[in-house]
Amino acid sequence: DAKTTQPNSMESNEEEPVHLPCNHSTISGTDYIHWYRQLPSQGPEYVIHGLTSNVNNRMASLAIAEDRKSSTLILHRATLRDAAVYYCILANFGNEKLTFGTGTRLTIIP
Amino acid sequence: DAGVIQSPRHEVTEMGQEVTLRCKPISGHDYLFWYRQTMMRGLELLIYFNNNVPIDDSGMPEDRFSAKMPNASFSTLKIQPSEPRDSAVYFCASSTDPSEQYFGPGTRLTVT
Repeated sequence: DAKTTQPNSMESNEEEPVHLPCNHSTISGTDYIHWYRQLPSQGPEYVIHGLTSNVNNRMASLAIAEDRKSSTLILHRATLRDAAVYYCILANFGNEKLTFGTGTRLTIIP
Repeated sequence: DAGVIQSPRHEVTEMGQEVTLRCKPISGHDYLFWYRQTMMRGLELLIYFNNNVPIDDSGMPEDRFSAKMPNASFSTLKIQPSEPRDSAVYFCASSTDPSEQYFGPGTRLTVT
């Protein structure tokens, strides 16, 4: 699977939007972009995934660049509960295996 | 639904002992995954099942590790004999769509 690059850490103020970037310059045409997060002392939690078009759900939005070489996870209004490690993962269609990298540790400032 | 259930939540054992970790997936989910998380290696996929059949065990570190899924509602991960380097948090996850996995709370294993 193609690799992803994320910043090690980010900070954001509570109640502000958060944009978490992910670079994946070697993405293939059939790679899906997945985002998971892991809150302290918990198992990972699915956030969102997409292929080409931007995606929205109750938790977040996923903005995918036109060339698909990068994507951004958007939390529209951060709360303290959003403090977690966020993982950006590529997985080819039909490949059931997710390879977690080191992710971005998001800190929310009250 | 109660979510993915794992037991025990914490396990402390001595080197050389057998350890069995248990997982009850969410009802109706036909995929089950076992992961291990350490500070050094991060989150690693060990093995996964589809419809109770092991599909890929390439992540299992060595023969000391084995996993079974005798039915759709139960899976075990066994380590025999255990070693200190097996100390980690072990997660079980289940899904109907592998893109959207639901993780359990994990079992923290300490081997002394």
